[in-house]
Amino acid sequence: EDQVTQSPEALRLQEGESSSLNCSYTVSGLRGLFWYRQDPGKGPEFLFTLYSAGEEKEKERLKATLTKKESFLHITAPKPEDSATYLCAVRETSGSRLTFGEGTQLTVNP
Amino acid sequence: NAGVTQTPKFQVLKTGQSMTLQCAQDMNHEYMSWYRQDPGMGLRLIHYSVGAGITDQGEVPNGYNVSRSTTEDFPLRLLSAAPSQTSVYFCASSPTTGVSGPLHFGNGTRLTVT
Repeated sequence: EDQVTQSPEALRLQEGESSSLNCSYTVSGLRGLFWYRQDPGKGPEFLFTLYSAGEEKEKERLKATLTKKESFLHITAPKPEDSATYLCAVRETSGSRLTFGEGTQLTVNP
Repeated sequence: NAGVTQTPKFQVLKTGQSMTLQCAQDMNHEYMSWYRQDPGMGLRLIHYSVGAGITDQGEVPNGYNVSRSTTEDFPLRLLSAAPSQTSVYFCASSPTTGVSGPLHFGNGTRLTVT
């Protein structure tokens, strides 16, 4: 059974304090790993797709990386507007279903 | 473009009542799906559709029905609501069959069953 575990559950940072969120996964074969951002009262918003180990994607202060067992979402010099819940999801090669993690709730204080 | 539109935003039902959650997308996406989001559980797939006239079950389909008569609309029906169906429901669409493309989500319907 596919499993996706995100850590930490919650993270508080000061503005400018860089850190990383972790997504570890167990699938028989990875077809894609997705990162989403979710603001309170809103639906998840797509950030990145990673397909193979070693791949990296960047967008503003966010950088996502992928290994064979986990993905990291690095946040460099975060701002208060980066506060949100970040969700990770995986799709295995033999299925069409996304398996989501429970998310990391990030708070960036000014 | 409105993207994915869900109505209503909030709904309170009594046990045993029925209702339909509406979902419409204006992006001409073939793939549409319904998820529920519960604390400590992550998003779980209820039903999905890869095109008009085609639907299939996801991870947690019991108690829910769907149909897809047009590309744009994908309503979710609760035939006899139960307190265990209290959740936030998200509709999502994708331009592909959902296998490799990212999902575009609506802003959700918060349902409470008393």
